[in-house]
Amino acid sequence: NAGVTQTPKFQVLKTGQSMTLQCAQDMNHEYMSWYRQDPGMGLRLIHYSVGAGITDQGEVPNGYNVSRSTTEDFPLRLLSAAPSQTSVYFCASSEGYGYTFGSGTRLTVV
Amino acid sequence: GEDVEQSLFLSVREGDSSVINCTYTDSSSTYLYWYKQEPGAGLQLLTYIFSNMDMKQDQRLTVLLNKKDKHLSLRIADTQTGDSAIYFCAESGGATNKLIFGTGTLLAVQP
Repeated sequence: NAGVTQTPKFQVLKTGQSMTLQCAQDMNHEYMSWYRQDPGMGLRLIHYSVGAGITDQGEVPNGYNVSRSTTEDFPLRLLSAAPSQTSVYFCASSEGYGYTFGSGTRLTVV
Repeated sequence: GEDVEQSLFLSVREGDSSVINCTYTDSSSTYLYWYKQEPGAGLQLLTYIFSNMDMKQDQRLTVLLNKKDKHLSLRIADTQTGDSAIYFCAESGGATNKLIFGTGTLLAVQP
């Protein structure tokens, strides 16, 4: 039982590049979310989904897109990377309570 | 909107009890959680409490909820050096089940 799998674990991007952070869960959870973690600011919600085909914005959505074409996958796209997007990104899923988190992606934008 | 507040730092001696506090604003919160994050690691769900409960005990952990004051606390009995970590309070509820985090409390346990 893999839980929530995030790839890649580390990534360095140049300003203006685009990329997709992958997130997959094998628990048939309806709820999935993306967070970014910055020092002293806790985890801030970027986008979330309450089921396949349904997504919505969180606290800090600008510069990020998501889609949820299947229950299992919830990729996060950076459209044009900026240094302010340097952060650790976490994906999480839930069946209704008690979110399970992936191990995170450490992204550096230079 | 939803807001969750925590103090940033707590230092205790090994063997003492630790109490980490949290306040939240969303009165529709259904579940309140405590997560633990060790350095360089992901988030581990420690415990949670349903909003119609006042207290939950799980081994060394005691969660107290004052729903009137929107105040949540986590007590760790007999704190060990392995308990040193960042502790996050979080709440979820409503149709979206969004999980909103506090800023985290760094617990430092002195030997």
